Amino acid sequence: GENVEQHPSTLSVQEGDSAVIKCTYSDSASNYFPWYKQELGKRPQLIIDIRSNVGEKKDQRIAVTLNKTAKHFSLHITETQPEDSAVYFCPEGSGGYNKLIFGAGTRLAVHP
Amino acid sequence: GAVVSQHPSWVICKSGTSVKIECRSLDFQATTMFWYRQFPKQSLMLMATSNEGSKATYEQGVEKDKFLINHASLTLSTLTVTSAHPEDSSFYICSGGGAGGETQYFGPGTRLLVL
Repeated sequence: GENVEQHPSTLSVQEGDSAVIKCTYSDSASNYFPWYKQELGKRPQLIIDIRSNVGEKKDQRIAVTLNKTAKHFSLHITETQPEDSAVYFCPEGSGGYNKLIFGAGTRLAVHP
Repeated sequence: GAVVSQHPSWVICKSGTSVKIECRSLDFQATTMFWYRQFPKQSLMLMATSNEGSKATYEQGVEKDKFLINHASLTLSTLTVTSAHPEDSSFYICSGGGAGGETQYFGPGTRLLVL
């Protein structure tokens, strides 16, 4: 299935606060969950990903948690900095060629 | 890590002309590459899946005769926008898979402006 819902659509936080973005998917067969960050005018960059056999993965200030039962996975950014301001996407994998279908994304603004 | 390049980064053309955009995987071989289009403040829209040595697979609503894709080698895919019109002005981005195939690495994009 190609149905990923991402919340919130916009998020505004103060520098140093945490930010959480949640994605809900529909295809129970999905087994790969990436998060991409896209700064204005630039390419999307993979920041973290998780596979279905793992419940949580952490990389410095960024973590992703997966709840397969509820079919959602979340991006957690701690100690946010202004350079974290960007649009974040949780595309859903689809099809035999591993194509990614992007939703609307979450626009994160971190205020100094 | 996997590096993808695109050329050109910027192109301005007159309405009715054709524009070719190149996408190269620099340090890996990409059997499959993907082409996306992104309008200002919108998400990435997948246009087509580019398969080395065979025809591209287009997403619903994308005109295959207008957006010609050629994937002649494992490191190069090209997108040609034929008879470009102002509404084709957009940010075109390609991506390729790294080891294992699932993770996709994106090129820097090509900004097309059709006058």
